Amino acid sequence: TQLLEQSPQFLSIQEGENLTVYCNSSSVFSSLQWYRQEPGEGPVLLVTVVTGGEVKKLKRLTFQFGDARKDSSLHITAAQPGDTGLYLCAGVELRTGTYKYIFGTGTRLKVLA
Amino acid sequence: DTGVSQNPRHKITKRGQNVTFRCDPISEHNRLYWYRQTLGQGPEFLTYFQNEAQLEKSRLLSDRFSAERPKGSFSTLEIQRTEQGDSAMYLCASSLNRFPGKNTEAFFGQGTRLTVV
Repeated sequence: TQLLEQSPQFLSIQEGENLTVYCNSSSVFSSLQWYRQEPGEGPVLLVTVVTGGEVKKLKRLTFQFGDARKDSSLHITAAQPGDTGLYLCAGVELRTGTYKYIFGTGTRLKVLA
Repeated sequence: DTGVSQNPRHKITKRGQNVTFRCDPISEHNRLYWYRQTLGQGPEFLTYFQNEAQLEKSRLLSDRFSAERPKGSFSTLEIQRTEQGDSAMYLCASSLNRFPGKNTEAFFGQGTRLTVV
């Protein structure tokens, strides 16, 4: 059972469109990271959110952490072909006291020119 | 610092052979993680170290898998008697944790892609 569920799993859109990717869990996280991964490479950190309700912006990307720190979203405005990749959310579960990062299933985004 | 470094980048081995991967974390990072990722999936946790101590191991880490971090710096992951199901990308990550209960970002290496034929 995946602790972190991401939706959608696949997304193919035209350049210039907006999109939102969701990361949901029944667990509370002390922090949540978003990564982007390209084929054959390791995940690259985009942002970390820590506080419930926190919103962070990275150029055209907006990240939000849910008030209860159980979910997060990534919104991309005016998507570009360079945004194509696998987007992963990862959290450190608060309850168990472990420090391992749990990853979501990933959202594979393809932006068509 | 050039980030987390993993070697080799690619490894093709015959079923039944042993393989060893190396990870060099970011130099001041005290936590080191190993993950396995199969095509189309998110990374799955295998194990992690706090300095040289291995603090947690996943059930995915069968007795054919062993990881070490002898001096609290680089780490090795060995797979004995490889099977075709071991084919995956093996990712290493490191992070710096100064305070109890606080976890900082994990930075990943480029991974080692293992193909067992």
